[in-house]
Amino acid sequence: ELKVEQNPLFLSMQEGKNYTIYCNYSTTSDRLYWYRQDPGKSLESLFVLLSNGAVKQEGRLMASLDTKARLSTLHITAAVHDLSATYFCAGSNSGYALNFGKGTSLLVTP
Amino acid sequence: DADVTQTPRNRITKTGKRIMLECSQTKGHDRMYWYRQDPGLGLRLIYYSFDVKDINKGEISDGYSVSRQAQAKFSLSLESAIPNQTALYFCATSDFPGGRRAGELFFGEGSRLTVL
Repeated sequence: ELKVEQNPLFLSMQEGKNYTIYCNYSTTSDRLYWYRQDPGKSLESLFVLLSNGAVKQEGRLMASLDTKARLSTLHITAAVHDLSATYFCAGSNSGYALNFGKGTSLLVTP
Repeated sequence: DADVTQTPRNRITKTGKRIMLECSQTKGHDRMYWYRQDPGLGLRLIYYSFDVKDINKGEISDGYSVSRQAQAKFSLSLESAIPNQTALYFCATSDFPGGRRAGELFFGEGSRLTVL
């Protein structure tokens, strides 16, 4: 069974700083997903990474995938308060249902 | 209107009661899922269905059952609710992995269940 581990689980960072969230997975995953969840809300898809070396960027967020290292990263550039949320990564093995990490709770402070 | 609709959005019930959470979707996806979210534990898969005649257990199916009434409807039942089933439940849909959205999940707004 595919296991997904995120770190850190909690992250407090100042506005304007950069940081990276890491997502490791245990076995081969044919794709990797990143989601955002605001408090009390549902999950919103951010990125879908389909191949080794894939990189996607949206605003201050950039996600990448290294299938050989079984690692995906979500890099935050010049953080702003609006990025405060919980971020989840999820993997899928052979097209089966997604397994999620425990989430990284991000707080961006002035 | 939401593409994935869950009812009820909030429910408080007592131990031993039967509860059904319903999910309907207008996205035309064949694949539907039920996840449970607990603080600090992320989302855990309860059941999933890849088409109307397909039902699969997930990581934490004990104490739950599901019914796929139609392509657009997937319900989750707790036959005899217990307090540790208090959680936020999400329904989700997806196309197949080779589809245009690459198996990306689309979530409902969630159903918050409290079992006293």
